[in-house]
Amino acid sequence: GAGVSQTPSNKVTEKGKYVELRCDPISGHTALYWYRQSLGQGPEFLIYFQGTGAADDSGLPNDRFFAVRPEGSVSTLKIQRTERGDSAVYLCASSLTLDNEQFFGPGTRLTVL
Amino acid sequence: QKEVEQNSGPLSVPEGAIASLNCTYSDRGSQSFFWYRQYSGKSPELIMFIYSNGDKEDGRFTAQLNKASQYVSLLIRDSQPSDSATYLCAVKPSSYKLIFGSGTRLLVRP
Repeated sequence: GAGVSQTPSNKVTEKGKYVELRCDPISGHTALYWYRQSLGQGPEFLIYFQGTGAADDSGLPNDRFFAVRPEGSVSTLKIQRTERGDSAVYLCASSLTLDNEQFFGPGTRLTVL
Repeated sequence: QKEVEQNSGPLSVPEGAIASLNCTYSDRGSQSFFWYRQYSGKSPELIMFIYSNGDKEDGRFTAQLNKASQYVSLLIRDSQPSDSATYLCAVKPSSYKLIFGSGTRLLVRP
């Protein structure tokens, strides 16, 4: 079956702009996670959803970052007033339930100039 | 101290050898442990998970867990050049998020 999909695969933006990154989880998976990975590092947790609600957003670095999952399926990560330090690969993962293994999408590479 | 520690490598082994990758973690309450493989420019791919002390085997891969020592390892038997990648150890503590190490780069020499 189809895996986790993410769009766009690459996003280049200018400092100060607003960006939206989209994640479409594996069909039937109730839990969805966002991570961020910088070069040479492991993925770093940002936020996860169980259904429509953000169950844990403790990893969001500041209030410029926000994520939604309005219908319990597709999620959008929104970054306001982007900064050069936001440049990274943003990874989305999903799992059948919170207790199950997480499967990652291909990621969105964000570059802030 | 990092929550999940891995030697960055590179770990270089000849084709056909056993590659041993190690990981230590700091949260004693951690319940689940995962190994992901990540090829350059690609996203992490789940290859093994383990929940109980001892060994778990899947094909050429064996995951080993020792909760008392807070130690997880991954053995790759009959290593192939296609196994060359970065291997990420991930730990799930009491919450549901994964805490990752920085990864160990494995090079399998033909």
